[in-house]
Amino acid sequence: AQSVTQLGSHVSVSEGALVLLRCNYSSSVPPYLFWYVQYPNQGLQLLLKYTSAATLVKGINGFEAEFKKSETSFHLTKPSAHMSDAAEYFCAAHGSGNTGKLIFGQGTTLQVKP
Amino acid sequence: KAGVTQTPRYLIKTRGQQVTLSCSPISGHRSVSWYQQTPGQGLQFLFEYFSETQRNKGNFPGRFSGRQFSNSRSEMNVSTLELGDSALYLCASSAGQGSYTFGSGTRLTVV
Repeated sequence: AQSVTQLGSHVSVSEGALVLLRCNYSSSVPPYLFWYVQYPNQGLQLLLKYTSAATLVKGINGFEAEFKKSETSFHLTKPSAHMSDAAEYFCAAHGSGNTGKLIFGQGTTLQVKP
Repeated sequence: KAGVTQTPRYLIKTRGQQVTLSCSPISGHRSVSWYQQTPGQGLQFLFEYFSETQRNKGNFPGRFSGRQFSNSRSEMNVSTLELGDSALYLCASSAGQGSYTFGSGTRLTVV
């Protein structure tokens, strides 16, 4: 079965430090991969997506992610954390076929300390 | 360009009642997907509608149903509500693969 795994349910960094949120997908997952951010009591906002073009994907708010097929990974990074980055982050993959189904990881809560 | 609109934003219902949630997609988007988000189970796919037809369904009981209208607006219905149905229900509209825009969700509380 297709699956997406996010390593670490909570990540804490200091303001200005590197942010690294980890995501691995099952090898049968098609090449569409996404990172979403969710602020409290809000929906999901797309940060970036990989659609088999460039392996390094740049998104909004200074985030980027690199698709590594050999490691089945799609980790999210940001060079310098801001307080406003504190939120929950979800990695997701598009299901097989044109079915409109996203498979989500369990989410990682990012805490940014002053 | 208007985003995805979900109504209502908050809802409190009693066990055994039924509820209907609404989702208006981005203009021109023909696909609407629904997700349930809970602290324990995370984000789980409910179903997807495309051009008024259910194209895919997740592993939820038959109490969960949906439909899509000719203007692409979608509704989901939950009958005989249980406490465990308390969740944030999110819908996403799409114009095709690789593009999903989510609404702000409907927070359903069952008491």
